[in-house]
Amino acid sequence: KQEVTQIPAALSVPEGENLVLNCSFTDSAIYNLQWFRQDPGKGLTSLLLIQSSQREQTSGRLNASLDKSSGRSTLYIAASQPGDSATYLCAVTGNQFYFGTGTSLTVIP
Amino acid sequence: DAGITQSPRHKVTETGTPVTLRCHQTENHRYMYWYRQDPGHGLRLIHYSYGVKDTDKGEVSDGYSVSRSKTEDFLLTLESATSSQTSVYFCAISESSGFSPGSYEQYFGPGTRLTVT
Repeated sequence: KQEVTQIPAALSVPEGENLVLNCSFTDSAIYNLQWFRQDPGKGLTSLLLIQSSQREQTSGRLNASLDKSSGRSTLYIAASQPGDSATYLCAVTGNQFYFGTGTSLTVIP
Repeated sequence: DAGITQSPRHKVTETGTPVTLRCHQTENHRYMYWYRQDPGHGLRLIHYSYGVKDTDKGEVSDGYSVSRSKTEDFLLTLESATSSQTSVYFCAISESSGFSPGSYEQYFGPGTRLTVT
């Protein structure tokens, strides 16, 4: 069974810092990896989707990379802002959908 | 935002009663999914649908059934609710399947908070 791990579980940084969130998975036979953002009491908002044939995707201040062979993905957030405070989830698709438990990010003004 | 609504948004029910949650989409996407989210477990797939009357089980399907009679509606039923089914339930949709190579993206509804007492 696929296991998806996100470390750290919580992260607090001052505004303006660049930061990296990590996602690791145990089975490299995946089709896609998707990063989401979840605000408290809300649903999930899709941030980036990386197909298995791709190495990275970029959207604004966000950049996500994928290394299938090592079972890792990173989400890079440049010049963090207080509005980036949320929980970030990664999800992999193989024969099923598997989510990590998320990293709770707090950006301090 | 993708046009996905869930009803009800909040529900409190007693153990042993049947409960039905509804997911409605206006995007005409083929695939629909039900997840539950619990602290320490993240999101787990309950059931999904790949077309009208076509459904399959996910990771945690025991105690749940689903139905899809129209493209836009996907219902999740707890036949006899138990306290272990207290959770936040999310519906999601995607245009194509993520189970085969190709581009797809899942969009989520706002969630239903269910409490079973």
